Parts: sequence; C-alpha cells; structure tokens
Amino acid sequence: QQQVKQSPQSLIVQKGGISIINCAYENTAFDYFPWYQQFPGKGPALLIAIRPDVSEKKEGRFTISFNKSAKQFSLHIMDSQPGDSATYFCAAESNTGNQFYFGTGTSLTVIP
Amino acid sequence: DAGITQSPRHKVTETGTPVTLRCHQTENHRYMYWYRQDPGHGLRLIHYSYGVKDTDKGEVSDGYSVSRSKTEDFLLTLESATSSQTSVYFCAISPYGGLAGGTHEQYFGPGTRLTVT
Repeated sequence: QQQVKQSPQSLIVQKGGISIINCAYENTAFDYFPWYQQFPGKGPALLIAIRPDVSEKKEGRFTISFNKSAKQFSLHIMDSQPGDSATYFCAAESNTGNQFYFGTGTSLTVIP
Repeated sequence: DAGITQSPRHKVTETGTPVTLRCHQTENHRYMYWYRQDPGHGLRLIHYSYGVKDTDKGEVSDGYSVSRSKTEDFLLTLESATSSQTSVYFCAISPYGGLAGGTHEQYFGPGTRLTVT
C-alpha cells in the first residue's frame, strides 16, 4: 500500500510556465515532508522540505504548499526551465520512527 | 554525492547466487539506509541502520539482510538473488535520522544497478 500518493506520473510544461506536482497521505504521524529531485543516472537530491506547522515554504523558484487538514502537499516550480527537467519525488517521515515513505515520482519535461 | 560511494555500480548475476552491495561514507553520519527504486514504486526502504551493529527493517526487507560493523560501511546482502530483486539500489546517509526537530536530510549515493537473470 502506497503511503504517499503522488500525481501526475508525468508532466510537460513550456519554458517559463508553472509546474505543479501533488502528493497526498493518510498517516497523521507524518511530520516532515521533503521533495527530492533526481536526474538520470544520479541519486535523488533534497530540493526543499516542510513541516506541518507552516502552510508554505519558498526557496527561489520552488515552493511547497501544505494543507494539513486535507493531508495534501504540493510542489510548485515557477518560471520552469529546461534544466528543471528531472524526476521529482515527494516523501514523508513519521515522528515515531526513522522511515521515509516516497511517492512514485513525477517525470517533468520542460520544453524550450 | 556527499561523500558516499557504492560498489559495484553495475552487476549482473544469476538467480540463486548471493550478492553483496557495499555503501561507504566519509561523512561520519550516524544513520544509513538502503532503498530500492523501481518504476511505478518510487523508492522503498529495505533496511536502515542507526549505529554500528544497530539495524532495523524497512517496508520491503524480505530476502535482504544488512550488516554494519563500522560507522562508514553498510552492506546489503541478497542471500539468494531472485529476478524480482532486479532493481536500482540506493544507499543514503543522514546525520540525525528521525530525531524530532533535527535536520532529516538524507544524502543519496549514485546507485547500483543490479540485474538478476
């Protein structure tokens, strides 16, 4: 059973547009929500992360929006660039343990 | 890749043979993790370690064992490889693991592509 559900599976966006990836969870014990970026042939790298005590976190062109009551969070990439083309994973960690649960990934392609 | 190396980077093996993958870190981080990555499943935790000789199971631990005799090395063993274990395996490290309020960032290695024929 997938603990974190991610959509869409793939996304194509024009250069300069906004990319939006969504994730949802059920376990209310999750208290840390990172997003990872992965390029082909490489390991995932942390992009941005949020805790449920804030509703939004912004770092440069990347923003996480968090809705605690709906148990949903999303990644927004503003002014998307071809260099942003990668696979993005959301994840969640429980406050009761050391395990991270990842979404199934979104393949983002930004067209020049 | 934050001082993490994985070996081998590629391996092809036959069903029923034992396989050991190695993760080596130079960061002196306490926590180490093994994940597998498969299309449609994302990354799934196999085992993790929270110190030398201290390990625990993840969500897909069946068919895998691990050992950590030194802070810097975390070994993943497939005792008898099966075709379902064909995957890309990633090691990750973290300085604080699951401590509340601490940084939870995980740093991933470059991965090992394992094919079981």
